[in-house]
Amino acid sequence: GQNIDQPTEMTATEGAIVQINCTYQTSGFNGLFWYQQHAGEAPTFLSYNVLDGLEEKGRFSSFLSRSKGYSYLLLKELQMKDSASYLCAVKDSNYQLIWGAGTKLIIKP
Amino acid sequence: DAGITQSPRHKVTETGTPVTLRCHQTENHRYMYWYRQDPGHGLRLIHYSYGVKDTDKGEVSDGYSVSRSKTEDFLLTLESATSSQTSVYFCAISDDGGPLQETQYFGPGTRLLVL
Repeated sequence: GQNIDQPTEMTATEGAIVQINCTYQTSGFNGLFWYQQHAGEAPTFLSYNVLDGLEEKGRFSSFLSRSKGYSYLLLKELQMKDSASYLCAVKDSNYQLIWGAGTKLIIKP
Repeated sequence: DAGITQSPRHKVTETGTPVTLRCHQTENHRYMYWYRQDPGHGLRLIHYSYGVKDTDKGEVSDGYSVSRSKTEDFLLTLESATSSQTSVYFCAISDDGGPLQETQYFGPGTRLLVL
């Protein structure tokens, strides 16, 4: 079957750096997405990786290793507003998105 | 932000009644999706559409039907609501033409409670 694994919850301190990992086993690979979802709101797109390596976008970076079935989202200079769930999703061979259950990130002052 | 609205935003209904949720987009995107989101699960695809009158089933389609008679509207119907269909329902849209265009953008969601 297809599977996306992420930690359920993580805690970090304001101003620090946190890395959220995502491992996947899917039938085919056509890209990996990260979304942010604040409580009670819709998911919003953060990043897309299809080639191995690091994609940087401001305070957020996303890394992909296709051979290892692994990605991470790196958040720098954490702010209280970064408290949210972070969803990892992989586009499979049928171009459908397979979603992880999300990682709830709690930021403490 | 992509122009996607969902209605109603909240609904309480009784077991056995039909329920229709509406998704409306102003982006003229080709693809539209219905997902449900439940605690402990990732977003799960119910149905999707790849054009007017062109729809297909997703992972959890039992008990749901959809229709798309216009590019901008995608309706999700729970034929006879059950308590297991209590959930948050999200509509999403995407288009053709490359990674950014193919990225899915989400509506605000509908919270449905089936008593």
